Amino acid sequence: SFVLTQPPSVSVAPGKTARITCGGNNIGSENVHWYQQRPGQAPQLVLFYNSDRPSGIPERFSGSNSGNTATLTISRVEAGDEADYYCQVWDSSSHLYVFGSGTKVTVL
Amino acid sequence: EVQLVQSGAEVKKAGESLKISCKGSGHSFNSYYIGWVRQTPGKGLEWMGIIYPGDSDTRYSPSFQGQVTISADESISTAYLQWRTLKASDTAMYYCARLGLYGSGNYEVFDYWGQGSLVTVSP
Repeated sequence: SFVLTQPPSVSVAPGKTARITCGGNNIGSENVHWYQQRPGQAPQLVLFYNSDRPSGIPERFSGSNSGNTATLTISRVEAGDEADYYCQVWDSSSHLYVFGSGTKVTVL
Repeated sequence: EVQLVQSGAEVKKAGESLKISCKGSGHSFNSYYIGWVRQTPGKGLEWMGIIYPGDSDTRYSPSFQGQVTISADESISTAYLQWRTLKASDTAMYYCARLGLYGSGNYEVFDYWGQGSLVTVSP
């Protein structure tokens, strides 16, 4: 089945930009969704279809997807953005919902 | 407001059985798939399976097929995750999540999540 690889951790200073990658074989041909999981909370959808934001998600969250890498970008990082972030795709060949390994974003 | 409320934490012994629940409100429960996701301590998210309460259509991840049973009772807007024989390795947080359709392409995403049910299984 599809394997999604994320860096275990990303550190960023407040006000700067965090970029979280999600690697997969030709992931650019897939629809990638992103979830944020703050400590002690359930995951929350922050991006769908690579770059679209659900209602209530700040414009600071954006995304892209091309080739073998999808990227979630968080601009003007705030302390409240400190969380684990997971990418996710629907693997149509195996009929599985696949999550990435997750990236812990630490705000310095 | 859409809500999924899960049953509370459970402490069990290996070999025992268990059924946890996920009660939906604020939406047409029988018109959306409900999925179950496992999160082991300090680890990531694993999709276990999914059910459509309207007709009980159920699909499992191969990793969990035969290990758990997913069911639903649409009359009380509740989905279930069940084990016949628990193992210590089943110790984890379990989330239910609604599979919603988003955007012009009707992209399937897990848009609403329960608060999680922590299951602890001692050897």
